Amino acid sequence: DAGVTQSPTHLIKTRGQQVTLRCSPKSGHDTVSWYQQALGQGPQFIFQYYEEEERQRGNFPDRFSGHQFPNYSSELNVNALLLGDSALYLCASSLNREVKTQYFGPGTRLLVL
Amino acid sequence: GENVEQHPSTLSVQEGDSAVIKCTYSDSASNYFPWYKQELGKGPQLIIDIRSNVGEKKDQRIAVTLNKTAKHFSLHITETQPEDSAVYFCAAKGYKLSFGAGTTVTVRA
Repeated sequence: DAGVTQSPTHLIKTRGQQVTLRCSPKSGHDTVSWYQQALGQGPQFIFQYYEEEERQRGNFPDRFSGHQFPNYSSELNVNALLLGDSALYLCASSLNREVKTQYFGPGTRLLVL
Repeated sequence: GENVEQHPSTLSVQEGDSAVIKCTYSDSASNYFPWYKQELGKGPQLIIDIRSNVGEKKDQRIAVTLNKTAKHFSLHITETQPEDSAVYFCAAKGYKLSFGAGTTVTVRA
């Protein structure tokens, strides 16, 4: 049984560019949450998708947007990249939005130059 | 919003000794407190959790305590082993899941 998978593993972009990160949830899960983890910090909640809609959002600007597909996979899009967007982006999947069942993927390391 | 503070930021212990990590939270509406272990190159993994209606929970060498009045919760690892070396995060869930900044635990053989 595959756990949460994310692609790509690493990515380098320049300021002003746009990026799309992808996540496939653990089998049987229907909810996807995205987190940003800066170096040496804890993960910060970006947003949560359930039934193809954004259900909760953290304190992130509109440059951060997402999507969930009918197969429960999800994308995170970041526009107009800033140097401060450099971080590990974690995807976590769960069942029925229940945090207790949440499993994290290995993350995508984004570097903005 | 919720603010979770975690101490210490680094912890070095001799194999076999105990390790204690402490966290405080600000939102009295928080009702779920998980602890995660993150190894290099991996995402956080849930190791133990506690709900607000419970004061203490134990799972083998790991235990968590919660003091809702003081808004404190702690992780205790007994008989530490080299494989316990990792970064540990506490978290609190009110509206959303908020994480502490992490504690890097090193177990010396």
